[in-house]
Amino acid sequence: SQQGEEDPQALSIQEGENATMNCSYKTSINNLQWYRQNSGRGLVHLILIRSNEREKHSGRLRVTLDTSKKSSSLLITASRAADTASYFCATDEGGSEKLVFGKGTKLTVNP
Amino acid sequence: DAGITQSPRHKVTETGTPVTLRCHQTENHRYMYWYRQDPGHGLRLIHYSYGVKDTDKGEVSDGYSVSRSKTEDFLLTLESATSSQTSVYFCAITASGRPDTQYFGPGTRLTVL
Repeated sequence: SQQGEEDPQALSIQEGENATMNCSYKTSINNLQWYRQNSGRGLVHLILIRSNEREKHSGRLRVTLDTSKKSSSLLITASRAADTASYFCATDEGGSEKLVFGKGTKLTVNP
Repeated sequence: DAGITQSPRHKVTETGTPVTLRCHQTENHRYMYWYRQDPGHGLRLIHYSYGVKDTDKGEVSDGYSVSRSKTEDFLLTLESATSSQTSVYFCAITASGRPDTQYFGPGTRLTVL
């Protein structure tokens, strides 16, 4: 079953703008993660936020988590052409060692 | 770099033939996973392993089997490939020191004609 669902499915912005993508999930979680995938490559872990955290930063990335709404957002500030990729959220189903991935948001940053 | 390699990287085969994909890791991690990635479906878990000879099914395990006879290798077998198994297959591991984060291999693109 698809746990996380990203929104929007595709996003196109200009370099320097901020990009925001959202993830909704269905069941209780211990943590939520965001991954990036460049075309033709494997996924790369970006950031993890635990269920008792509300916000986390890593460089130009800011992740928020609202467990009451079962949703998370990933903000990329001052985007660059190199940020062009697909972004996936992933959740553990109630603390399972398995991750369930969403279908992803395809971000295009135009120079 | 979690030292994950996949082989082959590309394969074209015919319907009904057996296919085995290999995932190899160099750092003795306990958990290994096989996913498939298809347009419109994202990543879906096929099987995973939590130790030598310890495996379990994922969301889309029908038509696939796995084996893990040693820590470093996790094999995915399609006993009789079908066109619906045309996909990109990714192996992942959970690093021992970071149990929540998965590290992915480069993927294997499989085409079943």
